[in-house]
Amino acid sequence: EAGVTQSPTHLIKTRGQQATLRCSPISGHTSVYWYQQALGLGLQFLLWYDEGEERNRGNFPPRFSGRQFPNYSSELNVNALELEDSALYLCASSSIPKRSLSNQPQHFGDGTRLSIL
Amino acid sequence: AQSVTQLGSHVSVSEGALVLLRCNYSSSVPPYLFWYVQYPNQGLQLLLKYTSAATLVKGINGFEAEFKKSETSFHLTKPSAHMSDAAEYFCAVSRPNQGAQKLVFGQGTRLTINP
Repeated sequence: EAGVTQSPTHLIKTRGQQATLRCSPISGHTSVYWYQQALGLGLQFLLWYDEGEERNRGNFPPRFSGRQFPNYSSELNVNALELEDSALYLCASSSIPKRSLSNQPQHFGDGTRLSIL
Repeated sequence: AQSVTQLGSHVSVSEGALVLLRCNYSSSVPPYLFWYVQYPNQGLQLLLKYTSAATLVKGINGFEAEFKKSETSFHLTKPSAHMSDAAEYFCAVSRPNQGAQKLVFGQGTRLTINP
């Protein structure tokens, strides 16, 4: 079974530019999550998409946005890049049982390292 | 609000020694708890999860964790450390309802294994 795949592996941008990060979930998973892992700040929840809809959002400014496609893959867009956006961006996926409240574990990709010069 | 505290940002043990990584949580409802491991330049790999079944949870690579409600703890242990266990370990909590699927992570504990 293929795991969560993210592209690109590395991305170098300059301040003010826009970045697009991509994620393909595990086959059969409908939920995609984005996290930011910045030096000194730990892992912070960014966004959760399920069935094409944004379900939850972390404490990040609106220039962080994304979407989920009909095939459940997802994009994270970061506009007007700032130096502090330099981080490892991790995507995770999970399945959500329709008749259960149980949380299925999230499975992570290897991340995209975004560097802002 | 939920939160997770991992005691000790760095833990160093000798090869073959007991590994104990500490995690305490705060949550207004009984949470779901997870341990993840991150090797250099990789994403997070799920070690084990607690979802209100057995309080002693066995995971991969010989790790296990015990949920203790009275102590609000979910410490990770391994009887005998191996060099390959050197990595960063994250404890995480989530609320068991559809509206809060996000994981809240601790700050992580970097485990070093001495030969």
